[in-house]
Amino acid sequence: DGGITQSPKYLFRKEGQNVTLSCEQNLNHDAMYWYRQDPGQGLRLIYYSQIVNDFQKGDIAEGYSVSREKKESFPLTVTSAQKNPTAFYLCASSTLGEGDTEAFFGQGTRLTVV
Amino acid sequence: GQNIDQPTEMTATEGAIVQINCTYQTSGFNGLFWYQQHAGEAPTFLSYNVLDGLEEKGRFSSFLSRSKGYSYLLLKELQMKDSASYLCAVRDRGGGYIPTFGRGTSLIVHP
Repeated sequence: DGGITQSPKYLFRKEGQNVTLSCEQNLNHDAMYWYRQDPGQGLRLIYYSQIVNDFQKGDIAEGYSVSREKKESFPLTVTSAQKNPTAFYLCASSTLGEGDTEAFFGQGTRLTVV
Repeated sequence: GQNIDQPTEMTATEGAIVQINCTYQTSGFNGLFWYQQHAGEAPTFLSYNVLDGLEEKGRFSSFLSRSKGYSYLLLKELQMKDSASYLCAVRDRGGGYIPTFGRGTSLIVHP
């Protein structure tokens, strides 16, 4: 079955460590996104990519990095420069452009700094 | 960018009807989406509006007025499982066609 998979579901990070969150999709979608969700807040866009080997900063990109070496994969690295990384991270994918191109979401990764 | 406003929380009774409003400001409107999100889970797609009017899908309907920058999600015959957060998202041509999400409305359905 087609879908979008995030791993791990739960992740614990020590202060000063970098961690990488995995996101894989087999929907043949060109566009992939990373969102951060905090309690009482909506989804805030971290990075997005619309084509392999290209990506763009979203509203809260500082302290994060991404790569898009393959169409299916869009990993997110939370660096030590991110001062408040504890949050729920959601990866999504969609087809490009106009029309009824809704985003499909992974199950999320809950990151906690310990 | 877009400004998207939704009520933070709503409560309703099982079997009743509830309307969740969403207002937005954007310069290059290109569609509005509604998603449902249960606590700790991924959002799931409910509806899409790009033209004015009402779109009906079973118990859920969504309405759009582009001139007023206004949409609502209507849930009929409420069930306990409808207790969730409902997210309004607006797509803008100037934003690379990337949807921007509102803060979401937490709906609590009680018996």
